[in-house]
Amino acid sequence: QSALTQPPSASGSPGQSVTISCTGTSSDVGGYNYVSWFQQHPGKAPKLIINEVSKRPSGVPDRFSGSKSGNTASLTVSGLQAEDEADYYCSSYAGSNNVVFGGGTKLTVL
Amino acid sequence: EVQMVESGGGLVQPGGSLRLSCSASGFTFNNYWMSWLRQAPGKGLEWVANIKQDGSEKYYVDSVKGRFTISRDNAKNSLYLQMNSLRAEDTAVYYCARDMGAHTYDYWGQGTLVTVSS
Repeated sequence: QSALTQPPSASGSPGQSVTISCTGTSSDVGGYNYVSWFQQHPGKAPKLIINEVSKRPSGVPDRFSGSKSGNTASLTVSGLQAEDEADYYCSSYAGSNNVVFGGGTKLTVL
Repeated sequence: EVQMVESGGGLVQPGGSLRLSCSASGFTFNNYWMSWLRQAPGKGLEWVANIKQDGSEKYYVDSVKGRFTISRDNAKNSLYLQMNSLRAEDTAVYYCARDMGAHTYDYWGQGTLVTVSS
């Protein structure tokens, strides 16, 4: 499977909202409601922040939200804070015990 | 508190072998699929292998089939990855992760670095 497509970078000022896209195909993003988003700070392990397209695990601020339309999933970070500066990765179940990841988006808080 | 701690990484020559371990705590280990994932320096995430709760099913990414073997010991709450015939392109930080279903990884270890170089 090909990797999901994410923009390499995104940015916003504190308090603003930013949306990161994750584009796949009907065989992954469009075919299953198993899209996850991970936040990764430098030198740290990834942290799950959105699962099943739009569900927030316990402890994840409601500033993070997820959605999907067709073959594209999106992560929106509202009310940007300095600590949101990190790399963000999307993933999608792709059937037959396969998973595909996006290449990652570096979010900069200006 | 859910916790996973990997160990066993290091520097190995091409063609060499290494065994990674992941010690889990804070949850009922034998209730979950478990996965190994990796991240090459400066690169994105890649799923490597996973194993069913009772060890009866194991799956691998094509690039490691025949070289890597995933296993688990539920009595010890531990996950393993035996890596043979290592190549330079296997250089990465290797993470163990709990799979809550459909490759949704809700908890990750801190990672262990594997460097394959002569």
